[in-house]
Amino acid sequence: IQLTQSPSSLSASVGDRVTITCRASQGISISLAWYKQKPGKAPKLLIYGASTLQSGVPSRFSGSGSGTDFTLTISSLQPEDCATYYCQQLNTYPLTFGQGTKVEIK
Amino acid sequence: EVQLLDSGGGLVQPGGSLRLSCAASGFTFSTYAMSWVRQAPGKGLEWVSVISTSGGTTYYADSVKGRFTISRDNSGNTLYLQMNSLRAEDTAVYYCARGAQSSGRIDYWGQGTLVTVSS
Repeated sequence: IQLTQSPSSLSASVGDRVTITCRASQGISISLAWYKQKPGKAPKLLIYGASTLQSGVPSRFSGSGSGTDFTLTISSLQPEDCATYYCQQLNTYPLTFGQGTKVEIK
Repeated sequence: EVQLLDSGGGLVQPGGSLRLSCAASGFTFSTYAMSWVRQAPGKGLEWVSVISTSGGTTYYADSVKGRFTISRDNSGNTLYLQMNSLRAEDTAVYYCARGAQSSGRIDYWGQGTLVTVSS
């Protein structure tokens, strides 16, 4: 199953609402997770089950979608949100990741 | 506190072998499926392999199938990845990670260990 994220990169101001999309090549129900990765660090789980917020993750992060189309939303972008974000499908082996979306602050 | 400590990376020649280890602590290791995920320099994440709680079921990415073997020692709380017939394109940081399809997420990651395949 291929996952296509868009955009590949974005630049936004602090306080902006940011949306990243992830499209699956076939239906995956809600078996989708989102991760955040900073340079030189391991990824961190943000969202699983398409919309369940992982414990300890700020509430400005939210996820939605089912089937083939999913979104990750940051309601009010903060400086510490500068990172690369990846979606991952966990519906079918082999598990696959999207190509990543790099988020920068203007 | 959940901890995953990856080790075993290094420089190896093409065609060579390497075994990665991941020491787990802070949770009941035997009750979680475990995965390996890699990231080539400057590239995105690539899932490599998964092993079930008992070790009886394994899956691999097509890119490593037949060359890599995942295993686990539940009595020693350790995950392994045996890598044979290594190629330049296997150069990456390899992360041990907790979780897989059964849990619907990968919720904890090791710090990563760098494998460099070069002559």
